[in-house]
Amino acid sequence: SQQGEEDPQALSIQEGENATMNCSYKTSINNLQWYRQNSGRGLVHLILIRSNEREKHSGRLRVTLDTSKKSSSLLITASRAADTASYFCATDDQAGTALIFGKGTTLSVSS
Amino acid sequence: DGGITQSPKYLFRKEGQNVTLSCEQNLNHDAMYWYRQDPGQGLRLIYYSQIVNDFQKGDIAEGYSVSREKKESFPLTVTSAQKNPTAFYLCASTTGGPRANEKLLFGSGTQLSVL
Repeated sequence: SQQGEEDPQALSIQEGENATMNCSYKTSINNLQWYRQNSGRGLVHLILIRSNEREKHSGRLRVTLDTSKKSSSLLITASRAADTASYFCATDDQAGTALIFGKGTTLSVSS
Repeated sequence: DGGITQSPKYLFRKEGQNVTLSCEQNLNHDAMYWYRQDPGQGLRLIYYSQIVNDFQKGDIAEGYSVSREKKESFPLTVTSAQKNPTAFYLCASTTGGPRANEKLLFGSGTQLSVL
């Protein structure tokens, strides 16, 4: 059961530019999380936003959540080549016992 | 250092063979998960366990089996019934689970290929 869907599927930008990726989901959530995956590696947790929060910051990351539209966005400011990775949003399943992931956005940052 | 360890990193399976992927954590986490990732795709949930001696099927459990005899270990067996096992397998763990606003910690993955 696919819960989150990221958009765009792929994004290519230059170093120093901002990168924005979006996530839409279908059912009510307790929280929404963003993860990063470098090629061939495990996922790394970036940020968690609760359903009663609208915006959260962590370093160069800014996450927004609009529960009325069932959508979230991840903004990476001043991108670096090292930000090249796939980014996934994840939401809790209806039982609240597992995370359901989207298909991800592949970000390429060129120097 | 605490962490979650998957082994082996690469695994090859012959037709009709069962293979077992290892996942161990020393974080004292209660919940453990197995996900499958196909190229260019997201993660799909295979099985999860919230306590010892109990586990639940995820979205794609057919052809897989698990056990949770110890808190720190959650091995995944890919059986011969799984006809398309080639994928990247990820194990993860957490303390209270998503409803408790807890993040997942992932292992580094096992790439399984069919010979």
